[in-house]
Amino acid sequence: KQEVTQIPAALSVPEGENLVLNCSFTDSAIYNLQWFRQDPGKGLTSLLLIQSSQREQTSGRLNASLDKSSGRSTLYIAASQPGDSATYLCAVRLQGAQKLVFGQGTRLTINP
Amino acid sequence: NAGVMQNPRHLVRRRGQEARLRCSPMKGHSHVYWYRQLPEEGLKFMVYLQKENIIDESGMPKERFSAEFPKEGPSILRIQQVVRGDSAAYFCASSVLQGGGSYNEQFFGPGTRLTVL
Repeated sequence: KQEVTQIPAALSVPEGENLVLNCSFTDSAIYNLQWFRQDPGKGLTSLLLIQSSQREQTSGRLNASLDKSSGRSTLYIAASQPGDSATYLCAVRLQGAQKLVFGQGTRLTINP
Repeated sequence: NAGVMQNPRHLVRRRGQEARLRCSPMKGHSHVYWYRQLPEEGLKFMVYLQKENIIDESGMPKERFSAEFPKEGPSILRIQQVVRGDSAAYFCASSVLQGGGSYNEQFFGPGTRLTVL
């Protein structure tokens, strides 16, 4: 059974800092991995999707890496801004399956 | 191109009533997924449907919950005889038909927040 863990559960940093969010998964037979952002009371916004054959994806100030063999992914946020404050969710899709398995999320607060 | 639409956004029911949650996928998407987010918990998969077919319902509670995706119209998640433990945010996602050259990325709607009194 695939389990996804995100550490830390909450993180608070001052504006301007670079930061890393971590995601680990127990079954390396994944099809892809997605990072989402969720604002309070809102839906999910897809940030980055990494296929199992890829090592990283970049979008603006965001960079996501994937190490399938060790069951880890990181989301790097450069030059953080107060608008980055949200909960960040990691989700994996197993090979041969359509459903996503989510981590519990990291609640990020960027202090002005 | 409108995104995934869900309605209602907020739904209040009393114990024992029925709740119907609707999801209209993105244009051109024929796969629909329902997820539930209980308070202070992560999102959990419930069911995956294609038009007129349930493909994977491994995450659905055995009783009171059902889902459909008819040939015409939105997908419906139906909860009969709701209990307080059903209070949660219910999210719908959609993706394109497999083999279309995409990576089957799932796009999420804004969710329906169900409160059972």
